Amino acid sequence: DGGITQSPKYLFRKEGQNVTLSCEQNLNHDAMYWYRQDPGQGLRLIYYSQIVNDFQKGDIAEGYSVSREKKESFPLTVTSAQKNPTAFYLCASSIDVGPEAFFGQGTRLTVV
Amino acid sequence: KNQVEQSPQSLIILEGKNCTLQCNYTVSPFSNLRWYKQDTGRGPVSLTIMTFSENTKSNGRYTATLDADTKQSSLHITASQLSDSASYICVVSRDFGNEKLTFGTGTRLTIIP
Repeated sequence: DGGITQSPKYLFRKEGQNVTLSCEQNLNHDAMYWYRQDPGQGLRLIYYSQIVNDFQKGDIAEGYSVSREKKESFPLTVTSAQKNPTAFYLCASSIDVGPEAFFGQGTRLTVV
Repeated sequence: KNQVEQSPQSLIILEGKNCTLQCNYTVSPFSNLRWYKQDTGRGPVSLTIMTFSENTKSNGRYTATLDADTKQSSLHITASQLSDSASYICVVSRDFGNEKLTFGTGTRLTIIP
């Protein structure tokens, strides 16, 4: 089935550790995005990539890093520099810059 | 400042009843407005997308309206079902690209039998 897959669904991290969230899509979409969702706030853009080997910072990129080595994959690394990493992370993809964005099921990251 | 405000924050209605959710925005320039449904612990799923020239769009029991002059949108749900329990998020795009989105905080809808 075509879709966008995030893994794992739940992730626990000790303070000071880096952790990588996976996002894979088989929709042949050019553009991919990472958002963060916190209670009582709208989704906020962390990073986005419109083509392979290129990505841009979003509104809250500090403490995060990404790579886009393959069209299908856009992993997000939450580094120890992120002061408040506990959140629900959502990956999305779209055809180029088309209006429709498809979201993955999310990864809930908890720092313990 | 580009903002999207939704009301009410939460809503509880009986199964079978209708309801209307509101969205006001100050985003400029305006490209399109979307409504998403997000089940708890899941990713958002698109319900409707409307551009400047569209003032109503339906998707089954969901009907969205847009007044671009007053910068208001509403989502009307008809004959609610238990599966409609979710958060409904209004999203406004400043340009033709998903990196230009401003998300509302959502309305939490609970349908009770």
